[in-house]
Amino acid sequence: VQLVESGGGVVQPGRSLRVSCAASGFSFRSYGMHWVRQAPGKGLEWVALISYDGTKKYYGDSVKGRFTISRDNAKNTVYLEMNSLKTEDTAVYYCAKDPVGGVVVATWFDKWGQGTLVTVSS
Amino acid sequence: DIQMTQSPFSLSASVGDRVTITCRANQGISNSLAWYQQKPGKAPKLLLFGASRLESGVPSRISGTGSGTEFTLTISSLQPEDCATYYCQQYYSTPGFGQGTKVEIK
Repeated sequence: VQLVESGGGVVQPGRSLRVSCAASGFSFRSYGMHWVRQAPGKGLEWVALISYDGTKKYYGDSVKGRFTISRDNAKNTVYLEMNSLKTEDTAVYYCAKDPVGGVVVATWFDKWGQGTLVTVSS
Repeated sequence: DIQMTQSPFSLSASVGDRVTITCRANQGISNSLAWYQQKPGKAPKLLLFGASRLESGVPSRISGTGSGTEFTLTISSLQPEDCATYYCQQYYSTPGFGQGTKVEIK
């Protein structure tokens, strides 16, 4: 299993950014996928989940209405579109694999990517 | 929201020592608990799920117990490669993490 995030960078408050996660080594279309973030020097915060088929999406309260998770099973890739970014969104964003289909949000994360750093600053 | 509290915040122990980290939930979560290890600059790694089920490839010196509101992660004989921050995570509802416990070698 390999998960490789990309797309991070420096962005101004209020602007948008999309990060991606390319998956390999497993049947991507069969598993739910998550985004989890970690602010510098801080703990872990779950951000979003998308089910294996993209029909179910769940979001953490701090990003609801601003972030959108999506996936392209033909490209084995999951995305996180981040709008109206705030300074408090500054973090390393990890994609993580669900152990099953991802149709329920109450789950754990069995594989993680190396993360991509998003810095929101003027 | 379910709040997870870990203790201690950090600990220092010698190689070969038995180390225990506690994770408490502010309401019952059955056995819906996972533990992760994170080394500096690296992604978290799953160690246990279902409170006590060892993930494939994780050394057997690591174990977990608990149910309801109190859980423990134990390293039976601390090794240098165990230096890391450990996080508990409940999945009884929307996933939530403890604040982490940093383990160092004395």
